[in-house]
Amino acid sequence: DSGVTQTPKHLITATGQRVTLRCSPRSGDLSVYWYQQSLDQGLQFLIQYYNGEERAKGNILERFSAQQFPDLHSELNLSSLELGDSALYFCASSAGHPATEAFFGQGTRLTVV
Amino acid sequence: QKEVEQDPGPLSVPEGAIVSLNCTYSNSAFQYFMWYRQYSRKGPELLMYTYSSGNKEDGRFTAQVDKSSKYISLFIRDSQPSDSATYLCAMSDAGNNRKLIWGLGTSLAVNP
Repeated sequence: DSGVTQTPKHLITATGQRVTLRCSPRSGDLSVYWYQQSLDQGLQFLIQYYNGEERAKGNILERFSAQQFPDLHSELNLSSLELGDSALYFCASSAGHPATEAFFGQGTRLTVV
Repeated sequence: QKEVEQDPGPLSVPEGAIVSLNCTYSNSAFQYFMWYRQYSRKGPELLMYTYSSGNKEDGRFTAQVDKSSKYISLFIRDSQPSDSATYLCAMSDAGNNRKLIWGLGTSLAVNP
């Protein structure tokens, strides 16, 4: 168990809808990273937050947004969902900035129908 | 061309075999090299972490980095069925945020 908790584990929703994925980092970790994993693209970095502030952005679509709350948990909001958004979404956390020492959650499997 | 290339396999070996997994990369600024293991339906877990060139050993696992060839390897000795998983390489430069760039992963099956 990595200590990173993601909910829900599975999500099935229709095109055009909006969903929120939640992540609780390991105790004491200030950095949270969001990743998308699909079969053809592999793991793609979406966004990083450090102690409540956005730190780095990757290949995140404008329809997607995230935030990190004062208790350090994070949420990833996906809106106007398309079939191509179906993927595994992972959250990872680390004590500081380097993504090289991050621990991953179990992921949320999103299916858009 | 992707920044990090990794043969997706699948790779199938008998129990006890030595397994060699590899990645090539194009960005000479990469300094940090990681290997992650991902079991089906689970998140990736960090196996090995190497800075710059050289070898690193941890139990049955050895990571090698050859920066001159832009090539990294992970060797698994005395492979076990429990090693059956997807192995992902990841790397980053030495900047402040060290965004990880990932390979697509190699699927490994170790047969008893």
